[in-house]
Amino acid sequence: DILVAQSPSSLSASVGDTVTITCRSSQGIGNFLAWFQQKPGKAPRPLIFSASTLLSGVPLNFSGSGYGTDFTLTIRSLQPEDFATYYCQQYRRYPLTFGGGTRVDLK
Amino acid sequence: QVQLVESGGGVVQPGTSLRLSCVASGFMFSSYGLHWVRQAPGKGLEWVAGISSDGGEKNYRDSVKGRFTISRDNSKNTVYLQMSTLSPEDTAMYYCARDRVAILVGALDYCGQGALITVSS
Repeated sequence: DILVAQSPSSLSASVGDTVTITCRSSQGIGNFLAWFQQKPGKAPRPLIFSASTLLSGVPLNFSGSGYGTDFTLTIRSLQPEDFATYYCQQYRRYPLTFGGGTRVDLK
Repeated sequence: QVQLVESGGGVVQPGTSLRLSCVASGFMFSSYGLHWVRQAPGKGLEWVAGISSDGGEKNYRDSVKGRFTISRDNSKNTVYLQMSTLSPEDTAMYYCARDRVAILVGALDYCGQGALITVSS
């Protein structure tokens, strides 16, 4: 299985900050990487696919980058509704695998 | 708008069976692959199984192979997850999710609200 490691596991930030979450895969996956947002008690919300393509309706303060084994999710000008847990997921090979999650909470 | 609505969750005893359903609306159901993703209480996301648009391709994670079966009925806009020999380790919220395309690429673009399964004696 392709392992996906996320860091940090949690971070504290303020409204208006820029935060960066890193995802590293155990082998090269090209750009077959997605990002999800999940709020407590809610379903995960897909945000990004192909490492950097925003899904419809995703605010433009979200961006993704990376290729191969190293990827980042950047959230600029953090908004109150952005405090959540974020997961990356590789889909280069089955089984699909997720990172362990990064919780972004209010400083 | 795209909607995925899961049902069939509940509390079951170890070793028993259960079937989850996911009814879809707001899109051409027969044109998209579908997946089940689960999340144990307080844990991260875990992919379980996927099925292509025509049902011809199916994939499972190793821990459920031989116990879980994914299927779909395109005439009813419904995808199913038949689960047998359930164990406490299967306790989780189960989410239905849509693939962006007909084949099982694995890029998901919508998730349902989930169905909770608790396996306990």
